[in-house]
Amino acid sequence: DVKVTQSSRYLVKRTGEKVFLECVQDMDHENMFWYRQDPGLGLRLIYFSYDVKMKEKGDIPEGYSVSREKKERFSLILESASTNQTSMYLCASRMMSNQPQHFGDGTRLSIL
Amino acid sequence: QQQVKQSPQSLIVQKGGISIINCAYENTAFDYFPWYQQFPGKGPALLIAIRPDVSEKKEGRFTISFNKSAKQFSLHIMDSQPGDSATYFCAASKTNTGFQKLVFGTGTRLLVSP
Repeated sequence: DVKVTQSSRYLVKRTGEKVFLECVQDMDHENMFWYRQDPGLGLRLIYFSYDVKMKEKGDIPEGYSVSREKKERFSLILESASTNQTSMYLCASRMMSNQPQHFGDGTRLSIL
Repeated sequence: QQQVKQSPQSLIVQKGGISIINCAYENTAFDYFPWYQQFPGKGPALLIAIRPDVSEKKEGRFTISFNKSAKQFSLHIMDSQPGDSATYFCAASKTNTGFQKLVFGTGTRLLVSP
């Protein structure tokens, strides 16, 4: 079974802090994704990575960056956290295009 | 063009009833339509998916109906059970060109009452 592990289930940070969300997958998947989930807005793609050290902007990349130094790990970085970044963050991975995405259980991030 | 519109936002169905969730899309290049199921505290998980070469796909109590001309697809849950209570997301993507990215609907919260 594919396992996508997000390092924190809940996280509380302060405005202006630099925040790191970590995601690890154990199936040697090529592609990894970061989404945010907000009520009434569904899942929106922030960034994705199709290979190690490769990254592409999704639909809402402003205020975020990512890092993928190793194949199994994909980090989402909030450079200077703001209250409008309070949300549920979901990481996903898949072997390659045309394969299903497997999601982690999410990190609920609150920015105070 | 990239949107997928999902309705209703929430749904209450009695045990044994049929749950129906609808989605509509605009981009005619979309050729893959999955549904994801999300339980509280968990990430979404792929439930069932369809491609536009068929009008219906059934897996157990779950059926996707697809209407290519209307650019609509729907999820039907037959004999709905309390264990089906979850949030359901439809999605769409293009698979024949470039990197496949899913576009998600806004979600439907389903509650099946005992």
